[in-house]
Amino acid sequence: DAGITQSPRHKVTETGTPVTLRCHQTENHRYMYWYRQDPGHGLRLIHYSYGVKDTDKGEVSDGYSVSRSKTEDFLLTLESATSSQTSVYFCAISDRDSRVYGYTFGSGTRLTVV
Amino acid sequence: QKEVEQNSGPLSVPEGAIASLNCTYSDRGSQSFFWYRQYSGKSPELIMSIYSNGDKEDGRFTAQLNKASQYVSLLIRDSQPSDSATYLCAVNSANNNDMRFGAGTRLTVKP
Repeated sequence: DAGITQSPRHKVTETGTPVTLRCHQTENHRYMYWYRQDPGHGLRLIHYSYGVKDTDKGEVSDGYSVSRSKTEDFLLTLESATSSQTSVYFCAISDRDSRVYGYTFGSGTRLTVV
Repeated sequence: QKEVEQNSGPLSVPEGAIASLNCTYSDRGSQSFFWYRQYSGKSPELIMSIYSNGDKEDGRFTAQLNKASQYVSLLIRDSQPSDSATYLCAVNSANNNDMRFGAGTRLTVKP
């Protein structure tokens, strides 16, 4: 997947526990994004980053936080997991302006909150 | 009203036919339009992009854009069973550097 990996690929966690998902890229792309994908809703943006320590909220950011301390890593944390956060999470990267070049996606993390 | 709307399908076409996938968007400031293909259990992959009104062809795929009608479409000629997937329409506006996605149209090509 063009030098972008997500970990873990699958995770089951209990309600109320914190969870961190990792996105790692080897492309040195400036822009990184976290999306969730749910049936009937498509892909919805959670948070995104324009560079190291430069992040912003997307349309469904409540209950999530992110950090980007290095260009290659973008971490998504669920502070206290809830069943509504059961979803497939995709990381995406973009070189320069995504309005022109679009995204490359990672393989996804399937998260189940029980 | 959703920002990007697609018919969820499923759309079923016979092998060799033309598959037509449609998408409408609400933000008139939108400037860039993309089609992604997503196989079941896999991640989306970019197959087409279009920025100007009219048609853009790439192999068996043609993207069509009509900004006045806020409408984007994807035509797949000579459809193959391997084209069976969910197709996501995505739109980027001048005001945002993030992309808004439709919920996708599931296409099945029957041999």
